[in-house]
Amino acid sequence: GNSVTQMEGPVTLSEEAFLTINCTYTATGYPSLFWYVQYPGEGLQLLLKATKADDKGSNKGFEATYRKETTSFHLEKGSVQVSDSAVYFCALITSRSSASKIIFGSGTRLSIRP
Amino acid sequence: EAGVVQSPRYKIIEKKQPVAFWCNPISGHNTLYWYRQNLGQGPELLIRYENEEAVDDSQLPKDRFSAERLKGVDSTLKIQPAELGDSAVYLCASSFSSGRAGEQYFGPGTRLTVT
Repeated sequence: GNSVTQMEGPVTLSEEAFLTINCTYTATGYPSLFWYVQYPGEGLQLLLKATKADDKGSNKGFEATYRKETTSFHLEKGSVQVSDSAVYFCALITSRSSASKIIFGSGTRLSIRP
Repeated sequence: EAGVVQSPRYKIIEKKQPVAFWCNPISGHNTLYWYRQNLGQGPELLIRYENEEAVDDSQLPKDRFSAERLKGVDSTLKIQPAELGDSAVYLCASSFSSGRAGEQYFGPGTRLTVT
């Protein structure tokens, strides 16, 4: 079946450090891939997406590249800020049809120290 | 633009009691989703609506859970009777259509504690 595996948290970094959160997936067909972020006390928000192999999604300094050969969609940021502290969810959707359903990973909690 | 609104934000009930959650999606969004999020896990879909029609309720425990979206706008999710294992955060989300299911807008959720 379709699934998403994320690195376990929590991840704790100092401000301005480089961030990588690993995400790999298993899916039939050609999924679209997403990163959602959940700030404390708020709902999940779409952070970035990529819909085909080699696409790079980017937003707010975060980037992720759709790697079909390694079935990965790792999230990166060159210099994290305290305000990036949140839970990050990798997700996929396998179809653009009306039967499509989004599958979420278990989330990775990120804490940034000042 | 107002986001997805959910109420209440927190609810504590004793087991075997009923509970209801309310959601108002973003205006113009035809597709509405209810998810359950257990501690340390990602959201899991309970039910998806296209307008007022439930088009995917395969993961909804129908013996105790029910949902409605009578006018194709706001929605209510009910649990009766609640069990200890129902403690979780219940999230509502909406999207413009099912074809844009990857671009969902989530509410802040209702944290349910069953004692």
